[in-house]
Amino acid sequence: DIRMTQSPASLSASLGETVNIECLASEDIYSDLAWYQQKPGKSPQLLIYNANSLQNGVPSRFSGSGSGTQYSLKINSLQSEDVATYFCQQYNNYPRTFGGGTKLELK
Amino acid sequence: QVNLLQSGAALVKPGASVKLSCKASGYTFTDYYIHWVKQSHGKSLEWIGYINPNSGYTNYNEKFKSKATLTVDKSTNTAYMELSRLTSEDSATYYCTRGWGGYYFDYWGQGVMVTVSS
Repeated sequence: DIRMTQSPASLSASLGETVNIECLASEDIYSDLAWYQQKPGKSPQLLIYNANSLQNGVPSRFSGSGSGTQYSLKINSLQSEDVATYFCQQYNNYPRTFGGGTKLELK
Repeated sequence: QVNLLQSGAALVKPGASVKLSCKASGYTFTDYYIHWVKQSHGKSLEWIGYINPNSGYTNYNEKFKSKATLTVDKSTNTAYMELSRLTSEDSATYYCTRGWGGYYFDYWGQGVMVTVSS
């Protein structure tokens, strides 16, 4: 199975700040990567697919980048509604696997 | 609008089985795969498998092959997942999701909490 390692596991940031979350795959996943946002008590929601494509309706302050085994999610100008846990997921190989999550809180 | 409506929370005894439902609306049911995802302890996510509603073809995570059985009823646009021989390790929230092919998951159900307890 492809192992997805997210860092940091948690972070605290201020409103308006820029935040970066990293995701490292145990092997090359050829940009077959999605990012999800899960707010407390809610289902995950798709933010990014194909490593850098923004899902319809997702604010443009979210962006994804990376290739090979290293990927990142960037949130510009952090808003209060961005408080959530973020997960990466690879779909290059079966079984589909997720990162352990990054919990984002406001400072 | 796309909606995946899951059945309510379940409290089941160890060793029993439970069948979860996921009713799809707002799109052509047979055009997209339905995947199931397990979330334990409100944290990590595990992919259980998917079913192609058009053909009935299934693909399971090896870890869940003897645990989960995926089916669909095309007449009611409903997907089902049956979990068998339940133990405390199966206590979790289970989500159905609409898969863009077998790839990523663009819509999620609200989740159903399964508690295994005597």
